Amino acid sequence: AQSVTQPDARVTVSEGASLQLRCKYSYSATPYLFWYVQYPRQGLQLLLKYYSGDPVVQGVNSFEAEFSKSNSSFHLQKASVHWSDSAVYFCALSGTSGGNYKPTFGKGTSLVVHP
Amino acid sequence: EAAVTQSPRNKVAVTGGKVTLSCNQTNNHNNMYWYRQDTGHGLRLIHYSYGAGSTEKGDIPDGYKASRPSQENFSLILELATPSQTSVYFCASGAGTGGPNYAEQFFGPGTRLTVL
Repeated sequence: AQSVTQPDARVTVSEGASLQLRCKYSYSATPYLFWYVQYPRQGLQLLLKYYSGDPVVQGVNSFEAEFSKSNSSFHLQKASVHWSDSAVYFCALSGTSGGNYKPTFGKGTSLVVHP
Repeated sequence: EAAVTQSPRNKVAVTGGKVTLSCNQTNNHNNMYWYRQDTGHGLRLIHYSYGAGSTEKGDIPDGYKASRPSQENFSLILELATPSQTSVYFCASGAGTGGPNYAEQFFGPGTRLTVL
């Protein structure tokens, strides 16, 4: 069975600090991987995605993520956070083979950025 | 224009009553999804569809039915609502066709359902 684990339910950082939000996945092959962001009282929006190729992918608003097959990870990073980055971040995967294209989401990480 | 819309945005229902949540997408996407979001559980997949006339069970389908009468519309039906179904429900659409972008999803704004 496929799964996504976000080990940190909440992360607090100061404005201007660097950020890493962790994501570990379990899947029999290389899945499609995503990070979404949810601002208060809104739906989810795509930040970035990984399908294949360069393991470092760039997303909107200076976010990037690095895929590691050996570690089964897809961590989200940002060099310098802004207070407006405060939101809930979800890591997700979709299957890529065997007729199974069902999506699976992690439980989310709530990011709080102090001014 | 918002590509995925949901109605109603807020709903209060009584235990044992029937509730229908509606979703419409103008992306011309094949796939549509229904999720519920609860604190501590994140986003959980209830039902999804690969096209008009098809519905598939997600991870937590018990107590829910789904209907996809057309490419654009996907409904979630609670025949006998219970307080445990109080939650925020999200609809999403995805291309679902060949190529690497099939799996990306576009979300609606959510429906807040309270079952008393």
